[in-house]
Amino acid sequence: SQQGEEDPQALSIQEGENATMNCSYKTSINNLQWYRQNSGRGLVHLILIRSNEREKHSGRLRVTLDTSKKSSSLLITASRAADTASYFCATDAGSGNTGKLIFGQGTTLQVKP
Amino acid sequence: DADVTQTPRNRITKTGKRIMLECSQTKGHDRMYWYRQDPGLGLRLIYYSFDVKDINKGEISDGYSVSRQAQAKFSLSLESAIPNQTALYFCATSRQGAGTDTQYFGPGTRLTVL
Repeated sequence: SQQGEEDPQALSIQEGENATMNCSYKTSINNLQWYRQNSGRGLVHLILIRSNEREKHSGRLRVTLDTSKKSSSLLITASRAADTASYFCATDAGSGNTGKLIFGQGTTLQVKP
Repeated sequence: DADVTQTPRNRITKTGKRIMLECSQTKGHDRMYWYRQDPGLGLRLIYYSFDVKDINKGEISDGYSVSRQAQAKFSLSLESAIPNQTALYFCATSRQGAGTDTQYFGPGTRLTVL
């Protein structure tokens, strides 16, 4: 079963608007990561947030983590057409030092120019 | 040059054929992974390796085998391909260290089994 469930599955916005994607997970974690995938390409790491952190920023990205609700959100501010991609959350499912990640099903974001 | 490379990038084969997908990395990472991606299912882990002598099954290893020829090379084999193995396959690497680290992905291999 999937550790991460993402919502919404698809999101379409206009350039300049903000995009928010949510991820929920089932078991305790050490950290949660967000990745981006352009169509048919490999995944690219965006940001990692550790279980003892509540919020993290990287450029136009803002990630929050609520371990009590087992959820995370990714906010992309002032979106651009180049942000069009699928976004995945990934957790380590509290697996210690195994290095294994469990990915959600992803949110497909379309940013219209 | 790309840090994680995969060959071939596209492959069409027939049911019952043996297929090998290859992955090479220049990042110097110890850990390597193979995933498959199906529409609407995200990425699922097939096998992972922490070093040349340490190989582990992932979530969906049935029908697949792997070989870690060197620190930099990790191959995935389908001994007898079947149509439901049609998917996008990704190799990834990460460092050895405390906790779970960022993974670096190759460009993927699109495999079609007829």
